[in-house]
Amino acid sequence: DFVMTQSPLSLPVTPGEAASISCRSSQSLLRADGQHYLDWYLQKPGQSPQLLIYLGSHRASGVPDRFSGSGSGTDFTLKISRVEAEDAGVYYCMQAVQTPWTFGQGTKVEIK
Amino acid sequence: EVQLLQAGGGLVQPGGSLRLSCAASGFTFSTCAMSWVRQAPGKGLEWVSATSASGSATYYTNSVKGRFTTSRDNSKNTLYLQLNSLRAEDTAIYYCATHYDGSGHLLGFDSWGQGSLVTVSS
Repeated sequence: DFVMTQSPLSLPVTPGEAASISCRSSQSLLRADGQHYLDWYLQKPGQSPQLLIYLGSHRASGVPDRFSGSGSGTDFTLKISRVEAEDAGVYYCMQAVQTPWTFGQGTKVEIK
Repeated sequence: EVQLLQAGGGLVQPGGSLRLSCAASGFTFSTCAMSWVRQAPGKGLEWVSATSASGSATYYTNSVKGRFTTSRDNSKNTLYLQLNSLRAEDTAIYYCATHYDGSGHLLGFDSWGQGSLVTVSS
């Protein structure tokens, strides 16, 4: 199975500042079509998760452009350019290369 | 608007059974693959099972194979998860989720139900 490792696990941020979360996979997430099958999700307190990014860098519908994803192979990054209070929650990466689809441990973003 | 309304959680003894349901609306359910994802109390997300749009193909994570069964009734726009031989470690919130697919491959889970809490305890 693919093992997904996130860092840091906790990230305090000040509103207006930038934030960055790293996700590393135990195997390459590149498929034969040239795409990297890596998602990012945000789970706000008391809510169901929501899809932010798919294919490593594509924003899902309705996701603000302050969220961006990048990376290749086994190393990926989620960046929030200017954190807002509503961005608080736990961020998960997930590989969608093959089943069992697996998630990282989660990174808790706390707004100072 | 896509809506996934879940029902069927509760308290069950170890070895017992439970069935969860996920009623879909706001999209063409019969053309959408679906998954179940769970979250143990205070823990992260774990993909559990998936079914193709027709229901002809199902997939499971190893820890639930032979115990859980995913099915769907496209005439009722409803997804089901039958949980048998339940263990304490199956205690979790179970979410249903729609697949956002590209070229027949999962891109992401783009809509989620509100979750159903399953507690396995004597």
